[in-house]
Parts: sequence; C-alpha cells; structure tokens
Amino acid sequence: DVKVTQSSRYLVKRTGEKVFLECVQDMDHENMFWYRQDPGLGLRLIYFSYDVKMKEKGDIPEGYSVSREKKERFSLILESASTNQTSMYLCASRVHGLAYEQYFGPGTRLTVT
Amino acid sequence: KNEVEQSPQNLTAQEGEFITINCSYSVGISALHWLQQHPGGGIVSLFMLSSGKKKHGRLIATINIQEKHSSLHITASHPRDSAVYICAVRSAGTASKLTFGTGTRLQVTL
Repeated sequence: DVKVTQSSRYLVKRTGEKVFLECVQDMDHENMFWYRQDPGLGLRLIYFSYDVKMKEKGDIPEGYSVSREKKERFSLILESASTNQTSMYLCASRVHGLAYEQYFGPGTRLTVT
Repeated sequence: KNEVEQSPQNLTAQEGEFITINCSYSVGISALHWLQQHPGGGIVSLFMLSSGKKKHGRLIATINIQEKHSSLHITASHPRDSAVYICAVRSAGTASKLTFGTGTRLQVTL
C-alpha cells in the first residue's frame, strides 16, 4: 500500500513565524503536491513538483515556497505565517503520467494566531 | 462559475437508501476522479474514469463525456458511508493538475 505521511496532524503557530510542513511518500512517486482546503472552496493547489529539485506554482502560491531535495520528501514553507494561512494542508503523490491516481496524506490542520 | 460543480452540497439519507451525487464540469478532460474524505481529513481515491462506468462494491461511478457530467451512486447506504465526496477533473493537456469540486457532505442515519 502507498503511504503518504505528514509531519503533524495539528499545528499552532504565531503570526510572523516561519513554518515547515513536511510530507514523505514511500512509493518512489515522481509527482508530489501541496493543497490547502478551506470550507466552501474545496482543495486548491499551492505547488507541485514533477521530480527532485523541480517545482511549479499552482493556483495559490503567494506566501508559500517549497523544497524537494529528495524524491520521497516534499516540504511546504510558510516564510512568515499570517492568519489567512490558517487552513487544512494536504499533501499528495502519484506516479507521473495520465493514468495514475493521487494518494493523499492525512492532512495538517494549521492555526495561525 | 467554478470549473467543477457538485450537487447537492449536503445530503441526508436513511440507511438503505440509494444515493446519487452529481458532478458537472465545463472543460475538456482526460480523467475524472471521485474521492472520499472522512472526518479528520484523510482523502481516499474511489474511482478514476474517462468513459463509461465503474463499480466497486456498493459504489458505482458513471461519466457522460458529451454532457460533461458524472454521477456517483451508493446502493444500500450505510452510516459508515457518511463522508464528504469530492469530484475532481484533470483537464485535457495537463498531465498532473486536478481541479476539485467543493464536495458533497453525506450523512446516513439509522
């Protein structure tokens, strides 16, 4: 079974702090994704990565950056957390190609106070 | 207008009822996904389809490419089916990106 894990289920941070969210997958998937999920808006793509050291902006990249130094790990960084970044963050991975589904991690609920 | 629209937004059913959740989309697609999210956040992929119909246990997913419409059916619903069901589409020409609907919250009662 594919396993996607995220470093924390719940996180509380203060405004202005630098926040790291980690995601690890164990199936050698090329593609990895970071989404945020907000009520009434559904999942929105923040960044994705086709492969190691490759990244591409999604629909809402402002205020975020990412790092993919190893194939299994994809990190989301909030350089200076703000209250409007309070949300559920979901990581996903998949094999590269049209016919493959995404596998999701359990999510991190981040609260910025 | 969102590219992916789901209906209804909320649905309450009694155990045993037949349930239908609808998804309409406005772009050409290469695939459509149905996902399930239980309270607590984890998302599980139920189906990925590009034509016709797929069945897994009590779940059936259909898609009509010409009408840009898909349905998810649950037969003999059970309280453990209570979850949010999310439709997502992969636009034609985009190998990896998905566009998501806002989800249908299903509550099945005894």
